[in-house]
Amino acid sequence: DTAVSQTPKYLVTQMGNDKSIKCEQNLGHDTMYWYKQDSKKFLKIMFSYNNKELIINETVPNRFSPKSPDKAHLNLHINSLELGDSAVYFCASSPSENTEAFFGQGTRLTVV
Amino acid sequence: AQSVTQPDIHITVSEGASLELRCNYSYGATPYLFWYVQSPGQGLQLLLKYFSGDTLVQGIKGFEAEFKRSQSSFNLRKPSVHWSDAAEYFCAVGLMEYGNKLVFGAGTILRVKS
Repeated sequence: DTAVSQTPKYLVTQMGNDKSIKCEQNLGHDTMYWYKQDSKKFLKIMFSYNNKELIINETVPNRFSPKSPDKAHLNLHINSLELGDSAVYFCASSPSENTEAFFGQGTRLTVV
Repeated sequence: AQSVTQPDIHITVSEGASLELRCNYSYGATPYLFWYVQSPGQGLQLLLKYFSGDTLVQGIKGFEAEFKRSQSSFNLRKPSVHWSDAAEYFCAVGLMEYGNKLVFGAGTILRVKS
């Protein structure tokens, strides 16, 4: 009964490949997010969706494409992976009325 | 622009000693404020939050934080640290008018010595 779950937990892939990370939340929240944590542990928002509608796209390269099939799911697809994409990607969700975000366990992406 | 500053990159305290982690924010209004903890290889767990009202808020694991509007601060405290508190702590500002996003500080790594 994990609240925010994302898969896979680890992802190792070669440069140029395309990969996806999936996220699901069972909290009934309307808003979902993707955050990126870089090698210095700095966390920055990438995208947010509210009821399947894109709200924030924080100047992320268009190789990154989020997709929200319904308000409980927010997937992240990355094309043409680059070395600099190596990071931990966190999915999160929050209710619409505040910003209290609940985070998944993260996906550690390593591009070699 | 909105920002969050955690001035201490690392802090080391002895087990049983008190702890204070500093957080300052830059924002025009009173934001929502949060402290999260991240253990190695783990996700982010919410310790406590401030939305409004009483400026001293209690959280999980014996942590508390005090919001001081005049200082734009939201410092995290614990009276007696346990070895299991060793982790990285992140302060965050929640911005409703910016798509409900969180802006995080750079984090403070807490080491606990026995």
